[in-house]
Amino acid sequence: DIVMTQSPDSLAVSLGERATINCKSSQSVLYSSNNKNYLAWYQQKPGQPPKLLIYWASTRESGVPDRFSGSGSGTDFTLTISSLQAEDVAVYYCQHYYSFHLTFGGGTKVEIK
Amino acid sequence: EVQLVQSGTEVKKPGESLKISCQGSGYSFTDYWISWVRQMPGKGLEWMGIIYPGDSDTKYSPSFQGQVTISADKSINTAYLQWSSLKASDTAMYYCARQVSSRYHSDYWGQGTLVTVSS
Repeated sequence: DIVMTQSPDSLAVSLGERATINCKSSQSVLYSSNNKNYLAWYQQKPGQPPKLLIYWASTRESGVPDRFSGSGSGTDFTLTISSLQAEDVAVYYCQHYYSFHLTFGGGTKVEIK
Repeated sequence: EVQLVQSGTEVKKPGESLKISCQGSGYSFTDYWISWVRQMPGKGLEWMGIIYPGDSDTKYSPSFQGQVTISADKSINTAYLQWSSLKASDTAMYYCARQVSSRYHSDYWGQGTLVTVSS
């Protein structure tokens, strides 16, 4: 199984400042035949189901604000919120879908400082 | 509008059986896979397994193989997650989610079904 490790577990960022979340996979999730990273990011607000933010490591889902961006390849990935807004307070999860089973990282809680 | 609507909150006793549901609408139900994801109280997301309603091809996480059964009834656009004998440790929120293929991201999620198992 591929293990996904997120860091930090939590972070507090001032409004308007940048938030950076890291995700590391225990093996590469880059599929060589199509050069795609099988990695997604989800946002989960309290009392709500997860919401897809980013897929293929860097493709923003329709309707997601452009302050959210994903980067990385192979085993190391980053979700960046360029200018934190109050509505971005949530837990963020990475997930690989490279192979069965599809595993999630442990989550990163983002709060306002 | 794509929607996944899950069945309501359940309160059960240990040893009881349970089947919860996830009904899809607004898209061709048999063209997408449905995943089930567990979230225990205050914890993270755990992928349980996936089914393709078109032919009921099903795959389980090793952690959940033999513990639950995933099924689907394409005639009513509904996927199911069931237990034959619940344990207190099954207490959790359960989500269904849609995927284009078995190795893909989940673009739509159900609202979740809270299952509480307590004597």
